Amino acid sequence: AQTVTQSQPEMSVQEAETVTLSCTYDTSESDYYLFWYKQPPSRQMILVIRQEAYKQQNATENRFSVNFQKAAKSFSLKISDSQLGDAAMYFCALGFGPGANSKLTFGKGITLSVRP
Amino acid sequence: DTEVTQTPKHLVMGMTNKKSLKCEQHMGHRAMYWYKQKAKKPPELMFVYSYEKLSINESVPSRFSPECPNSSLLNLHLHALQPEDSALYLCASSQIPGLAGRNLVFGPGTRLTVL
Repeated sequence: AQTVTQSQPEMSVQEAETVTLSCTYDTSESDYYLFWYKQPPSRQMILVIRQEAYKQQNATENRFSVNFQKAAKSFSLKISDSQLGDAAMYFCALGFGPGANSKLTFGKGITLSVRP
Repeated sequence: DTEVTQTPKHLVMGMTNKKSLKCEQHMGHRAMYWYKQKAKKPPELMFVYSYEKLSINESVPSRFSPECPNSSLLNLHLHALQPEDSALYLCASSQIPGLAGRNLVFGPGTRLTVL
């Protein structure tokens, strides 16, 4: 079974500052993928960043980067130069495949607020 | 076209009504999904269609009836719903069924309110 844990329900960051969102996971699969999804109040679930477990290099997408610690099963998201538009709920997710049971397992999510 | 569209955006219905939610994608994806999401909670998988056939039903009550008329279209028929069914209903698709864990594209959702 796969589990994803996001232990912080809420976080707040000052505009232009950096914030790190934590996520830990557990899986017995050797080939898996990790994701951070953003869901603003307008509700569209948007993929922020994706990490393939077999890649040692941490993924980056503009102001978003991850710290992937495979041995520790940790997958944190760093948002640099935070903007008001970053305010949203963020979900960490774990997936694997190909396979008949391929699906995403989500964490409980964290609500990020950005202070102007 | 790299998106999943859903209609309507909002739906209010009574417990005796029959309504349908619609989802469409033109990315050539052969797997489509329905998720239910309560406020401040992660999405919960309801149904999976693989090559237009229902492959996964996560023990969803029969008042929810999915339909996949073709590879681009997914419907969710609603009948005799309960107020606790009020939620955001998200549609998603992936290139092939076995890649749900690699590349899932979500639609914007339908906000359903059951009175």
